[in-house]
Amino acid sequence: AQSVSQHNHHVILSEAASLELGCNYSYGGTVNLFWYVQYPGQHLQLLLKYFSGDPLVKGIKGFEAEFIKSKFSFNLRKPSVQWSDTAEYFCAVRGGGSNYKLTFGKGTLLTVNP
Amino acid sequence: NAGVTQTPKFQVLKTGQSMTLQCAQDMNHEYMSWYRQDPGMGLRLIHYSVGAGITDQGEVPNGYNVSRSTTEDFPLRLLSAAPSQTSVYFCASTRTRDPPPSYGYTFGSGTRLTVV
Repeated sequence: AQSVSQHNHHVILSEAASLELGCNYSYGGTVNLFWYVQYPGQHLQLLLKYFSGDPLVKGIKGFEAEFIKSKFSFNLRKPSVQWSDTAEYFCAVRGGGSNYKLTFGKGTLLTVNP
Repeated sequence: NAGVTQTPKFQVLKTGQSMTLQCAQDMNHEYMSWYRQDPGMGLRLIHYSVGAGITDQGEVPNGYNVSRSTTEDFPLRLLSAAPSQTSVYFCASTRTRDPPPSYGYTFGSGTRLTVV
């Protein structure tokens, strides 16, 4: 069965600091990987996704993630965070083939102080 | 507007009451699913469906029923609500036939359910 582990429960940064949120997955085959963001009181929005090809994926709002197959990782990065990035971030994995179930990590709450 | 529509947005139930959470999508997505979101637990899969007439259990199916009579609709039923079912519920869908790599999952805006 597929699973996702997010290392940090709560990250607190100051504006302009760099961000890296860890995500490791467990699945033996081909995977699709996602990062979602949830702003307070809102539903999930897709930040970026990896299906195949270039392991460095660029998403919206200046976020990017790198798929490292040998480490089963898909860490999210942003060089300079803003106060408006305060939100909860979820990593998710979908096993390939005919398996369409999307499995989420427990989330990382990011607080950016002005 | 194309997307996933969930109703109601908010609901308060008494223990033992039943209700149905509605989910509808107009994108002709074959796959639909229900999640519950609880603090510190992320989103956990309740039930999913790969097409009309086909449903299966996810990670936390107890206390919930689903059916899929049409491609568009995937209602979630609570037969006898319990306080442990207090949560935010999200519906999500995606294509499965000829999925271009650019397709992903579309989420509804959620239903916040409180069981007292």
